Amino acid sequence: GESVGLHLPTLSVQEGDNSIINCAYSNSASDYFIWYKQESGKGPQFIIDIRSNMDKRQGQRVTVLLNKTVKHLSLQIAATQPGDSAVYFCAENYNNAGNMLTFGGGTRLMVKP
Amino acid sequence: NAGVTQTPKFQVLKTGQSMTLQCAQDMNHNSMYWYRQDPGMGLRLIYYSASEGTTDKGEVPNGYNVSRLNKREFSLRLESAAPSQTSVYFCASSPKGIGQETQYFGPGTRLLVL
Repeated sequence: GESVGLHLPTLSVQEGDNSIINCAYSNSASDYFIWYKQESGKGPQFIIDIRSNMDKRQGQRVTVLLNKTVKHLSLQIAATQPGDSAVYFCAENYNNAGNMLTFGGGTRLMVKP
Repeated sequence: NAGVTQTPKFQVLKTGQSMTLQCAQDMNHNSMYWYRQDPGMGLRLIYYSASEGTTDKGEVPNGYNVSRLNKREFSLRLESAAPSQTSVYFCASSPKGIGQETQYFGPGTRLLVL
């Protein structure tokens, strides 16, 4: 079946560098995407979202890029900090699924001091 | 606002025992969800409730039952726990309607079935 997936299970970056976390999706009907951050022992925390009528959205130090041509989603974190160390999940919603989300497997971001 | 709260935080069960995981939200959201998360994996939907009075199966409903007690509360019951149900369980809620798909998660319940 169609699903959301991630290219890299673990990403290690130096403090201060920019991080890019990638996500591939295969459901062409998906029209809403979310990035979540999950710190150890905690529940997923909303970071940023984007709708399919946009290709870029910026937040504080984070940017989400959506490439519908190749069904690819990325999360960019500027000036990565130790507090950014966590597992990041992308999730998609397709227009016939109500409010249900399909989650990817997650990427662990490790920030080296 | 406390957001989404879950109890208990941690539980150990023996095979065959039963228990109920509690979830409550104070954001006046219509939809609520139960997920399980196994080590190194993403979230899998067990059951959801699109609105008060309705519940539907998700991806992995076997071995579980749910009750949408009222708009605020959504409980998950394990009637006869099995070691395969050892997992971290997350409850989430969301407003209802187009443009309101974002789900907000509780802190999780860690369940160990021996």
